[in-house]
Amino acid sequence: SAVISQKPSRDICQRGTSLTIQCQVDSQVTMMFWYRQQPGQSLTLIATANQGSEATYESGFVIDKFPISRPNLTFSTLTVSNMSPEDSSIYLCSASGGSEQYFGPGTRLTVT
Amino acid sequence: GEDVEQSLFLSVREGDSSVINCTYTDSSSTYLYWYKQEPGAGLQLLTYIFSNMDMKQDQRLTVLLNKKDKHLSLRIADTQTGDSAIYFCAVSNTGKLIFGQGTTLQVKP
Repeated sequence: SAVISQKPSRDICQRGTSLTIQCQVDSQVTMMFWYRQQPGQSLTLIATANQGSEATYESGFVIDKFPISRPNLTFSTLTVSNMSPEDSSIYLCSASGGSEQYFGPGTRLTVT
Repeated sequence: GEDVEQSLFLSVREGDSSVINCTYTDSSSTYLYWYKQEPGAGLQLLTYIFSNMDMKQDQRLTVLLNKKDKHLSLRIADTQTGDSAIYFCAVSNTGKLIFGQGTTLQVKP
């Protein structure tokens, strides 16, 4: 199994600012993803983080708002740009090297 | 697009079996997963099943898959208070997961 860590675990940010969330996996993985979980809701996929190339975004999510990097097979970042209170959510990184898919502990973001 | 549906709430007594149900629409789903989320925590992978299997058992957990009806279930035997959590069903055919709304399991002592 893969162990995934995320930093920060939580943050309170002012509207209009940006926050970068880091995701580190303890082993090389094929695929990494970023999900959002709004309060009391299920998880929605934001994008697939592609190693060495641009991320693939789902409908409703754009690169300008959620730029993603994946410089290698164990690390990825998600930036939430120009934040508004509607961006208050838990952001989760996940990783898969095959059939199993594991999740990080999440970053709880509150935008005031 | 793909849709995954779960009932929102289930209440059982400690020691009973719990059965959490999930239906999905995409018959090309390759892997089907069950995750557990405790309050304030991330998602814990409980178990998963490949689409060519009908059943998978792992200690107290039994997963049943009915491909014809696109129905997935998770049975927890001898349910304990520590099993109280939200359980998410998720399906995948390209690595991307589509989640159900989650079922809150309440276990009464």
